[in-house]
Amino acid sequence: GAVVSQHPSRVICKSGTSVKIECRSLDFQATTMFWYRQFPKKSLMLMATSNEGSKATYEQGVEKDKFLINHASLTLSTLTVTSAHPEDSSFYICSARGSGAFPYEQYFGPGTRLTVT
Amino acid sequence: ELKVEQNPLFLSMQEGKNYTIYCNYSTTSDRLYWYRQDPGKSLESLFVLLSNGAVKQEGRLMASLDTKARLSTLHITAAVHDLSATYFCAVDISTNKLIFGTGTLLAVQP
Repeated sequence: GAVVSQHPSRVICKSGTSVKIECRSLDFQATTMFWYRQFPKKSLMLMATSNEGSKATYEQGVEKDKFLINHASLTLSTLTVTSAHPEDSSFYICSARGSGAFPYEQYFGPGTRLTVT
Repeated sequence: ELKVEQNPLFLSMQEGKNYTIYCNYSTTSDRLYWYRQDPGKSLESLFVLLSNGAVKQEGRLMASLDTKARLSTLHITAAVHDLSATYFCAVDISTNKLIFGTGTLLAVQP
């Protein structure tokens, strides 16, 4: 149980375009979802926290107008990178937390590698 | 500012040897996590440590938590090549956010 999927796994887009990444909890209801980005050979950096039905909370230094997060249901959160630039190229990982027996556990998706040309 | 530091950042060890990775953090927390990441992959959960003195073991890996010292350790016993990966600790702060450590790249040599 506790499976989180991400789509797409890999995407290449041109500068100036927008790209949407989906994060789904497949077998549980995710009350909270988290979005991280990871640069090569670096650690994970938390970008934002989203709760179903409410606005996301962004970490300091993360542009909310550039990284749009929507958590419309208990099983789906989306991250849209708007007007992408090459410096947005990164590995984006989502995680989901439910309210069941292990509410403190975060389940991680497989990640999405974004390359902006 | 919350800091989560791991030591060492890179570890090259021979098969069959033992070693310990350290995770120090700078704020109060009662929950600490260890994850494994293979190249190009996402995170695999290894351990969740929920209280002071917690010790968990799985195969050749054992993790412990000392909340008073703000220190967690990941001990590797008789390393094998399959353990080669990057290991992260992560601290759960009061708002249920995870702050990740710097990571330790482990390379087990035959």
